[in-house]
Amino acid sequence: GESVGLHLPTLSVQEGDSAVIKCTYSDSASNYFPWYKQELGKGPQLIIDIRSNVGEKKDQRIAVTLNKTAKHFSLHITETQPEDSAVYFCAASIPGGNEKLTFGTGTRLTIIP
Amino acid sequence: NAGVTQTPKFRVLKTGQSMTLLCAQDMNHEYMYWYRQDPGMGLRLIHYSVGEGTTAKGEVPDGYNVSRLKKQNFLLGLESAAPSQTSVYFCASSYSTGYTEAFFGQGTRLTVV
Repeated sequence: GESVGLHLPTLSVQEGDSAVIKCTYSDSASNYFPWYKQELGKGPQLIIDIRSNVGEKKDQRIAVTLNKTAKHFSLHITETQPEDSAVYFCAASIPGGNEKLTFGTGTRLTIIP
Repeated sequence: NAGVTQTPKFRVLKTGQSMTLLCAQDMNHEYMYWYRQDPGMGLRLIHYSVGEGTTAKGEVPDGYNVSRLKKQNFLLGLESAAPSQTSVYFCASSYSTGYTEAFFGQGTRLTVV
């Protein structure tokens, strides 16, 4: 089955700097890659997603890039703000049958004021 | 705008006791999921349902049972709780397959002593 891995369990950046969180996946058939943000005491919430026919997607300060050859995708947050502090989960989904998301272990991002 | 509601939010059980976690969604979603979240393990899928009356096993189904008698409700049961089931449980729902946004509940923190 699919496995999804995050390179960093924690990441700290200065407010205003950029943050990049990288995620790898194992199954080359995966074709949907969302990123979820989990704030303290809450459930995860989708912030951006990308499909395998697209290399990059941007939404204001956040973007996701996909490298299908290397089987990794990254979340980019620019001009970081204190409210960006959270746990970020990547996930991947494989087509066919009952598609379901496989999540990575999460990266805790801390924005230092 | 309730979205996905989980009941209860907190619970302490003694080893061997049973309990049922309730998940309700008001978005008319077909797909519903139960995940557990443990430190360093990310979100792991316990069971899921692709429609009313259907259930399927996820990554870590042992020790749990589920039922989807009504489209809007997805119940997770622990017949004989064990300390290894101490975790935060999240329910999620989505309109369609793993390609669409999953909406998560607030979570249930379960402690088994």
